[in-house]
Amino acid sequence: DGGITQSPKYLFRKEGQNVTLSCEQNLNHDAMYWYRQDPGQGLRLIYYSQIVNDFQKGDIAEGYSVSREKKESFPLTVTSAQKNPTAFYLCASADLVTEAFFGQGTRLTVV
Amino acid sequence: QQQVKQSPQSLIVQKGGISIINCAYENTAFDYFPWYQQFPGKGPALLIAIRPDVSEKKEGRFTISFNKSAKQFSLHIMDSQPGDSATYFCAARGRNYGQNFVFGPGTRLSVLP
Repeated sequence: DGGITQSPKYLFRKEGQNVTLSCEQNLNHDAMYWYRQDPGQGLRLIYYSQIVNDFQKGDIAEGYSVSREKKESFPLTVTSAQKNPTAFYLCASADLVTEAFFGQGTRLTVV
Repeated sequence: QQQVKQSPQSLIVQKGGISIINCAYENTAFDYFPWYQQFPGKGPALLIAIRPDVSEKKEGRFTISFNKSAKQFSLHIMDSQPGDSATYFCAARGRNYGQNFVFGPGTRLSVLP
C-alpha cells in the first residue's frame, strides 16, 4: 500500500528532553512537510524539503530540527528549546505540481 | 497575499441539507485548489481538487465551484450526512514548480441527525 507512515501515534516528552517523530513515505514524492496543529486550529508549517539533503524553515521552525538523508524519510526532532511542544504533528508529502497527502499524525504531550 | 481566507469557522446543518464552505484568495499565481477533510485525531484526507480552468467539479455529493474573476472557490456538500461531520480545509498552491501549500484556517461542520 502506498502512503505516508508516521510513528509513534502517541509520544510523551519530559521537560528538557529531545524527541524525534518519524515520517516515511513510499509515494516517490519529492516534497515533504511537517505541520503543527493545535486544538481547534489550522495547520502551521514547521519545515519542508523539496529535495534530498535540502530543507527550509517554515513559519514556526524555532525549537525544531529536521533531516532529509533519504527521499523516503523526513524525521522531525522536537528539541528542549521548544517551550510549548504539546500538539498534534502532521507529516505530508507531495509531488511538485499537485496535492499533498498526509500521515495519520503524532500526538505529542509534555509530562 | 499568500493568505487563503475561509468561512464560516463553524457550520451546523441538518441531515439531508446542503453544506457550503467558502474560500477566497488574493495571489493570482495560485493555480491548484484542493479541499481536505479531517476527522478528530486523524490526518487530513484529500477530498476533491480543482484547477482554475474549470468552473465546477463534482465527485459524488461533493462539488467545488470556482470563480476565477472573484478569486473565490467553494465546497458544496449535497445531502449532508452525520458522517460528514469533520473539519474541512481549503488550500491553494502556486503554478511554479515546487510551490508550497497555503491552507485556510478550517471549518468545523456538524451534521445533525
